[in-house]
Amino acid sequence: SAVISQKPSRDICQRGTSLTIQCQVDSQVTMMFWYRQQPGQSLTLIATANQGSEATYESGFVIDKFPISRPNLTFSTLTVSNMSPEDSSIYLCSVDRTGTSSYNEQFFGPGTRLTVL
Amino acid sequence: GQQLNQSPQSMFIQEGEDVSMNCTSSSIFNTWLWYKQDPGEGPVLLIALYKAGELTSNGRLTAQFGITRKDSFLNISASIPSDVGIYFCAGRTGANSKLTFGKGITLSVRP
Repeated sequence: SAVISQKPSRDICQRGTSLTIQCQVDSQVTMMFWYRQQPGQSLTLIATANQGSEATYESGFVIDKFPISRPNLTFSTLTVSNMSPEDSSIYLCSVDRTGTSSYNEQFFGPGTRLTVL
Repeated sequence: GQQLNQSPQSMFIQEGEDVSMNCTSSSIFNTWLWYKQDPGEGPVLLIALYKAGELTSNGRLTAQFGITRKDSFLNISASIPSDVGIYFCAGRTGANSKLTFGKGITLSVRP
């Protein structure tokens, strides 16, 4: 498995401000992923972050709103910019790790619960 | 796009009962993963399946990769109160493709 930590674990923010979420992994990984989970909903992939290149965003998500950094192979940040109440969600970081079967398995961090007032 | 269907949205069982959850798709998937999410936590990987027909167990949990590669099921035997949570299925169409998630099933266990 993978040990993934996220900071902050939760925050309450004002409309129009920005929040940067940090994700730290216990060992080097090639790809890191950022997901959003709106209240009572499933997980939606925001973007894939590779070290040394720009993140790849999914349809409906743009870099200006969700800038991502990936400075090294164990760390990434996601910024939620110019927040509105609709951004209130759990934001999850995840990584792929090769399991005992030699296939990729995806592991998740504990999430950051964001409330925008 | 690819979609994974999980239903019903909620299930209520008595402690000690077995429960089965299905996940279906109109597309073929090469990998099926089952996750459990407790309130306030991230999803935790329960079982991963990589071959059609594969049956894998993890304690009281058993999951199978459907032979058509369009479905999977998860069984929980002799349920206990800590089995409460949201169970998500997820799948990949290729080794490095992104994960597609189902909408999840919320399981409640009555003592």
